[in-house]
Amino acid sequence: NAGVMQNPRHLVRRRGQEARLRCSPMKGHSHVYWYRQLPEEGLKFMVYLQKENIIDESGMPKERFSAEFPKEGPSILRIQQVVRGDSAAYFCASSPTTAGTGNEKLFFGSGTQLSVL
Amino acid sequence: GNSVTQMEGPVTLSEEAFLTINCTYTATGYPSLFWYVQYPGEGLQLLLKATKADDKGSNKGFEATYRKETTSFHLEKGSVQVSDSAVYFCALSDPGGTSYGKLTFGQGTILTVHP
Repeated sequence: NAGVMQNPRHLVRRRGQEARLRCSPMKGHSHVYWYRQLPEEGLKFMVYLQKENIIDESGMPKERFSAEFPKEGPSILRIQQVVRGDSAAYFCASSPTTAGTGNEKLFFGSGTQLSVL
Repeated sequence: GNSVTQMEGPVTLSEEAFLTINCTYTATGYPSLFWYVQYPGEGLQLLLKATKADDKGSNKGFEATYRKETTSFHLEKGSVQVSDSAVYFCALSDPGGTSYGKLTFGQGTILTVHP
């Protein structure tokens, strides 16, 4: 069973371009979370999605950032008109269920390092 | 809001030394607490967790006890190995939230163990 797959591992963009980050959750997982790690900081929650639904986007910047998790295919984090401050590591995590059973576990991908020139 | 504070690194130890990485938290309610580890080039992996006060999480020789009175969850290991070199993250789950996966992380502590 493959783990959470993120691609690309490294992405370089010039200011003003668009960045698309992909995340394929583990097989059987229908919940996806995106986190951002700025230099010298911990991971910060961005958004929580289930198939075709955004459940919690309280950590997403109000402009230029969007996320989706379609019925088919990977989850996509999209950043329009990137700026240098968007340079960070972006991590995706998946889980099979939400809170309640006490046995939940998050599985993280290896991340995408976005560099904005 | 919720927050997690970890001791600043980097931490450098010799093999077989005792390890402590401090973690304190601020949260309303009763969060679950976690330690995640990130090895070079890999994603975060759950190391251990505790879901209520006085619980002790343990795995691979690492331990941490949920101390509600001091709002702490310090990570300890009696004898570290070179293979323990990694970045360690303390985290908590939103006690009032509906999503287990919405975690608040500390800034991470880099551990380097020398032979």
